[in-house]
Amino acid sequence: GAVVSQHPSWVICKSGTSVKIECRSLDFQATTMFWYRQFPKQSLMLMATSNEGSKATYEQGVEKDKFLINHASLTLSTLTVTSAHPEDSSFYICSARRSTGYNEQFFGPGTRLTVL
Amino acid sequence: EDKVVQSPLSLVVHEGDTVTLNCSYEVTNFRSLLWYKQEKKAPTFLFMLTSSGIEKKSGRLSSILDKKELFSILNITATQTGDSAVYLCAVETAPYGGSQGNLIFGKGTKLSVKP
Repeated sequence: GAVVSQHPSWVICKSGTSVKIECRSLDFQATTMFWYRQFPKQSLMLMATSNEGSKATYEQGVEKDKFLINHASLTLSTLTVTSAHPEDSSFYICSARRSTGYNEQFFGPGTRLTVL
Repeated sequence: EDKVVQSPLSLVVHEGDTVTLNCSYEVTNFRSLLWYKQEKKAPTFLFMLTSSGIEKKSGRLSSILDKKELFSILNITATQTGDSAVYLCAVETAPYGGSQGNLIFGKGTKLSVKP
């Protein structure tokens, strides 16, 4: 149980385009989902916290107009990187926290974004 | 500012060795400390620690938390090549005393186990 999927696994796009990444909790409901970014040889950095049915909470330094987060249901959150630039190339990982029971976060497999 | 510091950053050992990974933290509103193993993709959960002095054990891995000195250690005995990975320590905070908080990750310790 507690499986989180992400789609796509990897994506290559041109500079200036927008990319949408999906995060799904497959076998549980997640009131809260988190989006992280991990640059090479760096740790995970929290970008934003996404609560179902409300606006996401962004960490300091993360542009909310550039990284659009939608958490429309208890099993799906999306992250859209708008007008992507090469410096946005990174590994994006989501995690989901159950709506009930202990508050452990379950991580998705990540999405590798490369912006040319 | 909340921070989590892991040491060493990198470690190379031979199979059969025992290793100890360190994690110290300075956070407000501490809720729990978690250890993760990250290989090629997303982290996989190892342990969650909330109370001082109580060892959590899973096979050759064990971990303990000291909330007075603000650190945790992760021990791996009889290491195997399959233990090679980055081990991440994360502290969950509970801002405003709420029941749910965020994870603050350390930079990780890269462990390489040679045959």
